[in-house]
Amino acid sequence: DVKVTQSSRYLVKRTGEKVFLECVQDMDHENMFWYRQDPGLGLRLIYFSYDVKMKEKGDIPEGYSVSREKKERFSLILESASTNQTSMYLCASSFQLVHEQYFGPGTRLTVT
Amino acid sequence: SQQGEEDPQALSIQEGENATMNCSYKTSINNLQWYRQNSGRGLVHLILIRSNEREKHSGRLRVTLDTSKKSSSLLITASRAADTASYFCATVFYNQGGKLIFGQGTELSVKP
Repeated sequence: DVKVTQSSRYLVKRTGEKVFLECVQDMDHENMFWYRQDPGLGLRLIYFSYDVKMKEKGDIPEGYSVSREKKERFSLILESASTNQTSMYLCASSFQLVHEQYFGPGTRLTVT
Repeated sequence: SQQGEEDPQALSIQEGENATMNCSYKTSINNLQWYRQNSGRGLVHLILIRSNEREKHSGRLRVTLDTSKKSSSLLITASRAADTASYFCATVFYNQGGKLIFGQGTELSVKP
């Protein structure tokens, strides 16, 4: 079974802090994704990566950056956390871009 | 704007009844996928249906796709309390780099 793990289930950070969210997949998938999920807005794509060191902006990249130094690991970075980044963050991976995606359990981030 | 629109937003049924959820979209798709999300967790892929397919089954799940009406439906037969979750359709559009575009989801409640 594909397994996607995320570094934390719950995280509380202060405004202005640098925040790292890590995601690891064990199925040698080429593609990895970061989404945020908010009530009434659904899932929105922040960034995705289709290869090591490659990244593409999603629909809402502002305030975020990503890093993919190894195939299995995709990190989401909040350079200076703000209260409007309080959200559920979901990582996913897929073998090919049009294939089904496998999601991690999510990280619920609260920025105070 | 999100391309997948789901209907109804919420559905409450008794155990043993069937549940039908609908999804509409606006432009030509490569495929359409259905996901389930239990409260506060990550998404789980259920079924992928390609644009040249009309119907797919998986256990108690049946998905139909009508490309002429740009719509899909998910039917859960003989529902169980454990089916209580949010269900999302997600579309993969041509010329969108393989990104999944998620609908807002249908909240299904199955009462024992």
